[in-house]
Amino acid sequence: DAGITQSPRHKVTETGTPVTLRCHQTENHRYMYWYRQDPGHGLRLIHYSYGVKDTDKGEVSDGYSVSRSKTEDFLLTLESATSSQTSVYFCATTSGPSTDTQYFGPGTRLTVL
Amino acid sequence: RKEVEQDPGPFNVPEGATVAFNCTYSNSASQSFFWYRQDCRKEPKLLMSVYSSGNEDGRFTAQLNRASQYISLLIRDSKLSDSATYLCVVTAGGNNRKLIWGLGTSLAVNP
Repeated sequence: DAGITQSPRHKVTETGTPVTLRCHQTENHRYMYWYRQDPGHGLRLIHYSYGVKDTDKGEVSDGYSVSRSKTEDFLLTLESATSSQTSVYFCATTSGPSTDTQYFGPGTRLTVL
Repeated sequence: RKEVEQDPGPFNVPEGATVAFNCTYSNSASQSFFWYRQDCRKEPKLLMSVYSSGNEDGRFTAQLNRASQYISLLIRDSKLSDSATYLCVVTAGGNNRKLIWGLGTSLAVNP
């Protein structure tokens, strides 16, 4: 299995607080992705990165920001959490563009009260 | 119409059965196709890519029909361990970095 970890694995927070989720990979993969998964929706891309300091928006980026200062770390920040951001968040990596296999981290279950 | 559509199931089958899932996609410009497997409360993992000529990996066979815009997954000799949700994934037409994920088809293999 690819070495991808996410932290925290579970988090409960209150509306209006900032939250940062971390994804760490040991595969030296160039591309990294943040998804959210909700009932009734497929995995939806939030943001992705195609290199250090190179990021771009996905289809549901409003309310989220990302940063990638090192190849191995990709951070997702909810500037001011809302209840609609309660979800399971998955980080994924690929060595090339998305037509390569995507390797996923174990997920972070976030609840915003 | 959703970009990727799957029958959510659940499919309940006995061990040893053969089961098939279909998935339809709306964008004729999509270039790459995949089946991922997701166990309950776990991360998705690639099961297999789907090639134009069809491909097989052990008990699993994937087919692509570009004319009708659907892909299929056939599982032969089902095992209890095959119980999972199977996600159909296609690349967005014209953008290889973007994947469109189906909601998944739930399979339960019973003893």
